[in-house]
Amino acid sequence: ETGVTQSPTHLIKTRGQQVTLRCSSQSGHNTVSWYQQALGQGPQFIFQYYREEENGRGNFPPRFSGLQFPNYSSELNVNALELDDSALYLCASRPGNTGELFFGEGSRLTVL
Amino acid sequence: GQQVMQIPQYQHVQEGEDFTTYCNSSTTLSNIQWYKQRPGGHPVFLIQLVKSGEVKKQKRLTFQFGEAKKNSSLHITATQTTDVGTYFCAGGDMEYGNKLVFGAGTILRVKS
Repeated sequence: ETGVTQSPTHLIKTRGQQVTLRCSSQSGHNTVSWYQQALGQGPQFIFQYYREEENGRGNFPPRFSGLQFPNYSSELNVNALELDDSALYLCASRPGNTGELFFGEGSRLTVL
Repeated sequence: GQQVMQIPQYQHVQEGEDFTTYCNSSTTLSNIQWYKQRPGGHPVFLIQLVKSGEVKKQKRLTFQFGEAKKNSSLHITATQTTDVGTYFCAGGDMEYGNKLVFGAGTILRVKS
C-alpha cells in the first residue's frame, strides 16, 4: 500500500475520444509523475509536476496534458485517442525531486 | 534525449543460481534507482544509488553504480522463486527536475 490512488482502474474508449485519469498522491508528496507502460515494456516518462508546475516532460505529443492541484492531486488528459495509447498509465508521487517513487496501481486504458 | 538501456531482456535461471541485470545511460546520471514489478503489479522501489562507484547490499541483492555514473548493475545471489518479476533501473538527472527515465526491464523467471 503506497498511499497513491488512481482512478479509474480500467476503462475502454474509442479512437478520437478524450480521457481523463486521476491520481491522489501520498500525503505530503508535492511531486507527481505520470508514466505510460505498454504491455511488456518499461514505464515511459510522460511528465512530472512539482508544486503545480510541470518541470519535466518526455517524448509525448501535446495531446497528452496534465494538471496538478493545490492539494497535489493530479490529472492526466489525453485527447484524440489513438490505438497505440492503449496501455497501463501509472502515477507516482514523492516528496520533492529526489527519492523513491511511490506508484499507484495504475489505470488500464484500452482504445478500440 | 536521455536514454536508459537495460540487458538482458529476459533471463530464466534455476533456483539457487545467480542473476545479474545491467543498465546503461546515454548521459551522466545524478542518481539511479532500481524497481521490481511483479506480474500484474506496479513498480516497487528497491534502492537508490547516488555516489560514483557506490555499492549497496540488501540481503542477497547487490547494487552497483559505475564510476562514470552512466551504468549500474543489480546482482542477485542464489535466486529464489520469490525473486520472480521484472527488474527496472531508472536514471535520474537533476538538470531536468530529476525526472526518472526507466529502462525496458529484465524479466526474471526462476525454475524450482
